[in-house]
Amino acid sequence: QAQLVQSGAEVKKPGASVKVSCKASGYTFTVNYVYWVRQAPGQGLEWMGWVDPNTGRTNYAQKFQGRVTMTRDTSISTGYMELSSLRSDDTAVYYCARRATADSGFVTWGQGTLVTVSS
Amino acid sequence: EIVLTQSPGTLSLSPGERAALSCRASQSVNSNYLAWYQQKPGQAPRLLIYAASSRATGIPDRFSGSGSGTDFTLTISRLEPEDFAVYHCQQYVSSPWTFGQGTKVEIK
Repeated sequence: QAQLVQSGAEVKKPGASVKVSCKASGYTFTVNYVYWVRQAPGQGLEWMGWVDPNTGRTNYAQKFQGRVTMTRDTSISTGYMELSSLRSDDTAVYYCARRATADSGFVTWGQGTLVTVSS
Repeated sequence: EIVLTQSPGTLSLSPGERAALSCRASQSVNSNYLAWYQQKPGQAPRLLIYAASSRATGIPDRFSGSGSGTDFTLTISRLEPEDFAVYHCQQYVSSPWTFGQGTKVEIK
């Protein structure tokens, strides 16, 4: 069964960068995009973008353009999300997710990675 | 950007009661690409409904989705103790994909 396992919690200072990994198993990694969604404490969900593991093509929400980079390593079935110039309001749980078909929502989610930005 | 507005913000009900959650879009959600998720504290969201009315694999039939265009509803026919959680709607037809702010279903 499909599974996504993310890297552990991070604490970063303002202005730094963070890179979160998302390792896929139980399905063919290159078939489904890897999406990234974040959730600030006590807040709703926010879509950040996706990476196509097959081609490396990306699509980012305009809010994060210039600060986010999504990549993948097909040799280890892992997607990455790097966010730079961190601010305190980037403190959130970051999730990776996957859709199974073109008309479905996010059927598989990682467990989440808490990123805390604090001086 | 399509803005999704969920109502009510909080729904206080007892086990066994029926819950109706609303999700209203600022523009038409073409192809009814609207999903509903359940989220419990400290957990990732779980997909319940996709394409407005299709239940995801393993989701009990007490959960149903309806609606089209700009108005969508998630109905839980009879609340079980494990259904008390936060519910999010999401549109995935127009980039950026957006979520509603969530509806909390709490025990009365």
